[in-house]
Amino acid sequence: AQTVTQSQPEMSVQEAETVTLSCTYDTSESDYYLFWYKQPPSRQMILVIRQEAYKQQNATENRFSVNFQKAAKSFSLKISDSQLGDAAMYFCAYTPSGNFGNEKLTFGTGTRLTIIP
Amino acid sequence: DVKVTQSSRYLVKRTGEKVFLECVQDMDHENMFWYRQDPGLGLRLIYFSYDVKMKEKGDIPEGYSVSREKKERFSLILESASTNQTSMYLCASNSAPGYIQYFGAGTRLSVL
Repeated sequence: AQTVTQSQPEMSVQEAETVTLSCTYDTSESDYYLFWYKQPPSRQMILVIRQEAYKQQNATENRFSVNFQKAAKSFSLKISDSQLGDAAMYFCAYTPSGNFGNEKLTFGTGTRLTIIP
Repeated sequence: DVKVTQSSRYLVKRTGEKVFLECVQDMDHENMFWYRQDPGLGLRLIYFSYDVKMKEKGDIPEGYSVSREKKERFSLILESASTNQTSMYLCASNSAPGYIQYFGAGTRLSVL
């Protein structure tokens, strides 16, 4: 069974600084997708970034980037120039590629990020 | 914008009551999901549906059932609510495996 591990339950960062959230996963699949989702205090979960395992290039979305290490099964999220609006619960998630029966996401337990003004 | 709407933000029910949580999406997505979110446990999949009238068990289906009579609507049913079902429930949808899942705002259910 696939598992996703986020070993940092809580993290904090000074506003305008950079922070990295860790995620490791376990799978026997060779092709899959990885995601970082953000859940602000208002609770609506939104996608931050998505990575396809067959792509070697790390995904980037503005101030958010990932460090995808396929061999190490590691998928960390880097937030640059942290802003107060980045305060949220961040979840790492995994899904295998393929068709029927492989639609489900497996989530980590989350990292609560606090931004210090 | 994709919209996933959950019928209630907060719900208080009594032990033994039958509870319906409703979810509607407006993007003609094939797949719909129900998750339960508990502190320290992340999100756990209860059930998902990949088509009308089709459903698959997730990781924690016990005590729950689902219904999908129309493509846009996916209901989670607690046949006889128990206190250990007090939790946050999140609905999500997407168009295909590997694609972004869009989430509703969540329903915080308290069973007394």
